[in-house]
Amino acid sequence: DIQMTQSPSTLSASVGDRVTITCRAGQSVSSRLAWYQQKPGKAPKLLIYKASSLESGVPSRFSGSGSGTEFTLTISSLQPDDFATYYCQQYNSYYTFGQGTKLEIK
Amino acid sequence: QITLKESGPTLVKPTQTLTLTCTFSGFSLSTSGVGVGWIRQPPGKALEWLALIYWDDDKRYSPSLKSRLTITKDTSKNQVVLTMTNMDPVDTATYYCAHLVDDSSWEIWGQGTMVTVSS
Repeated sequence: DIQMTQSPSTLSASVGDRVTITCRAGQSVSSRLAWYQQKPGKAPKLLIYKASSLESGVPSRFSGSGSGTEFTLTISSLQPDDFATYYCQQYNSYYTFGQGTKLEIK
Repeated sequence: QITLKESGPTLVKPTQTLTLTCTFSGFSLSTSGVGVGWIRQPPGKALEWLALIYWDDDKRYSPSLKSRLTITKDTSKNQVVLTMTNMDPVDTATYYCAHLVDDSSWEIWGQGTMVTVSS
């Protein structure tokens, strides 16, 4: 299994802040990396695929970058609706998820 | 519009077999490149991929759970069925089915169904 490690596990921020979440893979996954947003009691929602491609309908304040083993998800200006848990997931070899990053209101 | 919905028991006893059904609409599982899979999430924990079936009946399983899982499809009914044998309390989780295309990310998810394993 390819291990995916996210940091930080919890992030406190304010509306309008720029935030970055990091995801590291145990071995190269090329650009086969996705990011999901999950709110309590809801299914995950795809935000970014192929490391940097924005899913249709997702606001442009979300962006992804990286390749190989290091990836980042950036939210350029936090909105109230963005406070949620974020997961990275590789799909280069089967499918494994990171442990999640909870984005909290400061 | 693509939708998926999971159904199955909410409570199973230890050692029993769990059978979950994913009923979908808005796409066909006979279309080249299309797949439907299962992902679970224990309460307060991270997501874990379980299994995937493709349009051509190619099947993939999580290596750690492969011996306990079977995934099948009924294209005429627009359904995918997952069975998991020898259920244990650690299998208590919300089980999601999801859609993907061309071995990519999970594009569309069902709402999930909570399964509790308890005697």
